[in-house]
Amino acid sequence: DVVLTQSPLSLPVTLGQSASISCRSSQSLLHSDGDTYFIWFQERPGQSPRRLIYKVSNRVSGVPDRFSGSGSGTDFTLKISRVEAEDIGIYYCMQGTHWPPTFGQGTKLEIK
Amino acid sequence: QVHLVDSGGGLVRPGGSLRLSCAASGFTFTDYYMSWIRHTPGKGLEWLSHISGRSEVKYYADSVKGRFTISRDNAKNSVYLQMNSLRVDDTAVYYCMKIDGGYGDWGQGTPVTVFS
Repeated sequence: DVVLTQSPLSLPVTLGQSASISCRSSQSLLHSDGDTYFIWFQERPGQSPRRLIYKVSNRVSGVPDRFSGSGSGTDFTLKISRVEAEDIGIYYCMQGTHWPPTFGQGTKLEIK
Repeated sequence: QVHLVDSGGGLVRPGGSLRLSCAASGFTFTDYYMSWIRHTPGKGLEWLSHISGRSEVKYYADSVKGRFTISRDNAKNSVYLQMNSLRVDDTAVYYCMKIDGGYGDWGQGTPVTVFS
């Protein structure tokens, strides 16, 4: 199975500052159909996971443009500019290119 | 609009059984694989099982193989997860998911607690 390794696992940030989470895959996530099925989820305390970004960089409708995804192949990044209090939670990467789909360990974003 | 409603979770002793259900609406159910995923605070998100539209293909993670069984009833637009021989480390919130390229449609989750 594909292993996704997130870093850091804990990310203390100051409100208004930016934050960046990395996710590295054990193999390329470029599918033979030309797409890269790489997703970022946010999990707020007490809530179900919420998809933020799909296919590397496509922001889901309703997600603030402070969230952006980038990367290719095996290296991917989620950037949150101007962190707000509502951004507190755990962020997971996921790949759906190679089955079974797998998840990263999660990165806990907390406010300093 | 896709809507998935998870149910069936609860409290159970080790060795016990539960049957989770996921009622789907808003899409052509038979066109899609469906999956079950769980989340635990310690281990994060784990892909447990998936099933093809006509039930020809089924997958199980090693952690649940031989204990859990996935099934679907296309007439009822529902997918199920029969969980037997439950262990304390099966304690989690369980979600069903509609599988497409976006991986964005999840149920609200149903909590399972296995306690001794």
